[in-house]
Amino acid sequence: DAMVIQNPRYQVTQFGKPVTLSCSQTLNHNVMYWYQQKSSQAPKLLFHYYDKDFNNEADTPDNFQSRRPNTSFCFLDIRSPGLGDAAMYLCATSRDRGANVLTFGAGSRLTVL
Amino acid sequence: AQSVTQLDSQVPVFEEAPVELRCNYSSSVSVYLFWYVQYPNQGLQLLLKYLSGSTLVKGINGFEAEFNKSQTSFHLRKPSVHISDTAEYFCAVSDLRNYGQNFVFGPGTRLSVLP
Repeated sequence: DAMVIQNPRYQVTQFGKPVTLSCSQTLNHNVMYWYQQKSSQAPKLLFHYYDKDFNNEADTPDNFQSRRPNTSFCFLDIRSPGLGDAAMYLCATSRDRGANVLTFGAGSRLTVL
Repeated sequence: AQSVTQLDSQVPVFEEAPVELRCNYSSSVSVYLFWYVQYPNQGLQLLLKYLSGSTLVKGINGFEAEFNKSQTSFHLRKPSVHISDTAEYFCAVSDLRNYGQNFVFGPGTRLSVLP
């Protein structure tokens, strides 16, 4: 039973055309994270929500935005995708900030043409 | 600031042979340590974690890791690998001060199990 679900699994978009990736969780975890993982690299944290409190990493480009309308859902919006934004985008959750175990979704692979 | 080093980017090994994937970290404070596995086109799955207590940690799929504070290492081992263990393995560290938002992942080691 999938507990962190990402949609779509594969997304193809054109250069500059906005895209939204979604993440839902059935764990009732307080914290939700978005990571970007480029080919053969470690996941890189973009931002996270602790409940409704949004926390952006200092080096996350303004092109990336996020929304968390409720506990279960979190969205990643890429306003104007560039070729360099092609990557796997991973959503993760943790029960609380002190829980220190991340549960990942299967990821959404973004291709930019 | 924390950092994680995985010296081996690729490790080929024959089926049923033992394997060790190396991980070293640096941090000025106490940390939690993790190994995650990623199969092709999948998210990361927790293999095992060290939070406190016994320095030898056993995880899923027959993997184990040993925390060595003096050497700041957390190497992953398996006595006999299977073809199905072929995947990318990530070592990660989490800073006790900054809780969940301060995970740092290593660059990963690609384990290829050969028949």
